[in-house]
Amino acid sequence: QSALTQPASVSGSPGQSITISCTGTSSDVGSYNLVSWYQQHPGKAPKLMIYDVTKRPSGVSNRFSDSKSGNTASLTISGLQAEDEADYYCCSYAGSSTWVFGGGTKLTVL
Amino acid sequence: EVQLVESGGGVVRPGGSLRLSCAASGFTFDDYGMIWVRQAPGKGLEWVSAINWNGGSTGYAESVKGRFTISRDNAKNSLYLQLNSLRAEDTALYHCARAVAGSEYAFDIWGQGTMVTVSS
Repeated sequence: QSALTQPASVSGSPGQSITISCTGTSSDVGSYNLVSWYQQHPGKAPKLMIYDVTKRPSGVSNRFSDSKSGNTASLTISGLQAEDEADYYCCSYAGSSTWVFGGGTKLTVL
Repeated sequence: EVQLVESGGGVVRPGGSLRLSCAASGFTFDDYGMIWVRQAPGKGLEWVSAINWNGGSTGYAESVKGRFTISRDNAKNSLYLQLNSLRAEDTALYHCARAVAGSEYAFDIWGQGTMVTVSS
């Protein structure tokens, strides 16, 4: 149950697009289309942004999208806005009622 | 309002025990799987444990297996986490979260967390 690998930080200017990668193994990300992404602002609870690779909860902007190839999932945020500045975590189902999170990525909007 | 409220955290000595609770309201609790996730101060999220809608299936992170026990009481709309043999590295904010309806593999409702501090 090793944590999924995410870049520690990414940055972009308002209006730009950024992508956050999430690399796991053939036992988690590679085996299931069950990756979810969470946004967390300081001092707040995590917020679900995307799940099951392509689904967005009601109220989440369509500026957030994701994809998966092999053992790597990616979150793309287009049209960056100041409010997008937060920590982002990926999470994958890993079988047998277990899950694993990524180490988190700090997004800075310049 | 759909809500999860955790309680039961506190300061405990190494080797001690605590029982965390998560009170659910605003939805049909026994329709959903639930998880516990923790976040050490200044660190990332760590999945801890999961339980399905009726308690018949559970899972644990290797770091807590054999020490923590997840359970639920659907009649009381409550989720629990029994923490035994606590270690300094268990110090964290513990969140409960609800699975997404129809998915069960992502979590859309989160509580604000209850803090557990393990210190001598």
